[in-house]
Amino acid sequence: NAGVMQNPRHLVRRRGQEARLRCSPMKGHSHVYWYRQLPEEGLKFMVYLQKENIIDESGMPKERFSAEFPKEGPSILRIQQVVRGDSAAYFCASSPWPGDTQYFGPGTRLTVL
Amino acid sequence: DQQVKQNSPSLSVQEGRISILNCDYTNSMFDYFLWYKKYPAEGPTFLISISSIKDKNEDGRFTVFLNKSAKHLSLHIVPSQPGDSAVYFCAAHTGAGSYQLTFGKGTKLSVIP
Repeated sequence: NAGVMQNPRHLVRRRGQEARLRCSPMKGHSHVYWYRQLPEEGLKFMVYLQKENIIDESGMPKERFSAEFPKEGPSILRIQQVVRGDSAAYFCASSPWPGDTQYFGPGTRLTVL
Repeated sequence: DQQVKQNSPSLSVQEGRISILNCDYTNSMFDYFLWYKKYPAEGPTFLISISSIKDKNEDGRFTVFLNKSAKHLSLHIVPSQPGDSAVYFCAAHTGAGSYQLTFGKGTKLSVIP
């Protein structure tokens, strides 16, 4: 399966814990995007990364959220000290270059108890 | 401020008939529009796109129409099939090199056999 992979598919955390979401882009894609979908809402852009670089994090909350895309391995979206309002579906997408069609992974559904 | 609006949360259509999903936008800088289809517990799947230099794009049973003066686009599915039952998201970005997709809230299409 050469599609975008995300894991875990479901993640349950208690308030105050950390959540780590992983995304492996499609083969040949070096551009990764993270989106968040709150219940009954559309997807909202969070951050755009290339290998080892954050290009645009204008959609990321200013605190507790960070993202990386290291030279080796998947992209990671990290949420520290989670709160109930962080409960959402987090989708990763990738493309071969910026502006090209983005292909989405299956998402990680984060539930904060 | 919702820059991409899908005013119909749901739509039911008989199998074999035409499904028409509508989308309005407010940002005149949007230059490229996409439709994604999403099944429950899966990520959005790219369906069809259109550039602002065109007013129509067709791919098999799917046609997207763009009316720039009205800031309106629509997705036509004909004939509709039960497997088309899903949530359809309209998305837009500001053109060449742009990567931030702005999504509508989605329309849930149910195709009744």
